[in-house]
Amino acid sequence: QTVVTQEPSFSVSPGGTVTLTCGLSSGSVSSSLYPSWYQQTPGQAPRTLIYSTNSRYSGVPDRFSGSILGNKAALTITGAQADDESDYYCVLYMGGGIWVFGGGTKLTVL
Amino acid sequence: QVQLVESGGGVVQPGGSLRLSCVASGFLFDDYGMHWVRQAPGKGLEWVAFLRYNGRSQYYGDSVKGRFTISRDNSKNTVLLQMDSLRIDDTGVYYCAKDSARIAGQIGPHYYYMDVWGKGTTVTVSS
Repeated sequence: QTVVTQEPSFSVSPGGTVTLTCGLSSGSVSSSLYPSWYQQTPGQAPRTLIYSTNSRYSGVPDRFSGSILGNKAALTITGAQADDESDYYCVLYMGGGIWVFGGGTKLTVL
Repeated sequence: QVQLVESGGGVVQPGGSLRLSCVASGFLFDDYGMHWVRQAPGKGLEWVAFLRYNGRSQYYGDSVKGRFTISRDNSKNTVLLQMDSLRIDDTGVYYCAKDSARIAGQIGPHYYYMDVWGKGTTVTVSS
């Protein structure tokens, strides 16, 4: 069974930079898994941030960026703001019409 | 603008059934695949099911395979999720989401992500 791993929690200071990662319990994440990233605040629907590793979705500020770091996908927030405090989820496309979400990272800005 | 509105959630006993609906507007519904994604209380997002634009191919997460059925009615711009043999751990908010690729990537590229989300409908399985 495929498990997509994310840090359970992370904190960043206002104005700081933070990198969240998305890995696989077995194997490496590459662009061929089309990693995408979503932001969710409590009680709200998810919001699309990044697709296909490093493409920013329409309307997403450029302080959000995606990449592959080593064997993981990464979401970097540069110049973190208070309203970036949210849960962040990555999704990997495993092929054959199957997607798998990571467990999510709760980001605190303080 | 592009909008997805889910309905059909409610309270049901274990072993029961429920059918969720998601009505789409603002885009060519016939051209896009659709997903269902759920979130148990206090937990993360879980991909549930995907249906191709033409309704001919359905895909499911392991936890719902054999119990849930995704379908669509293109004449009503609606995607459905029939949930049978419901279990307590099926409780949560169910979101429908639009796939990003038009006609499975035949028109434009396929980047395999969900681009637009509904606000969700809540399902509670409890005795």
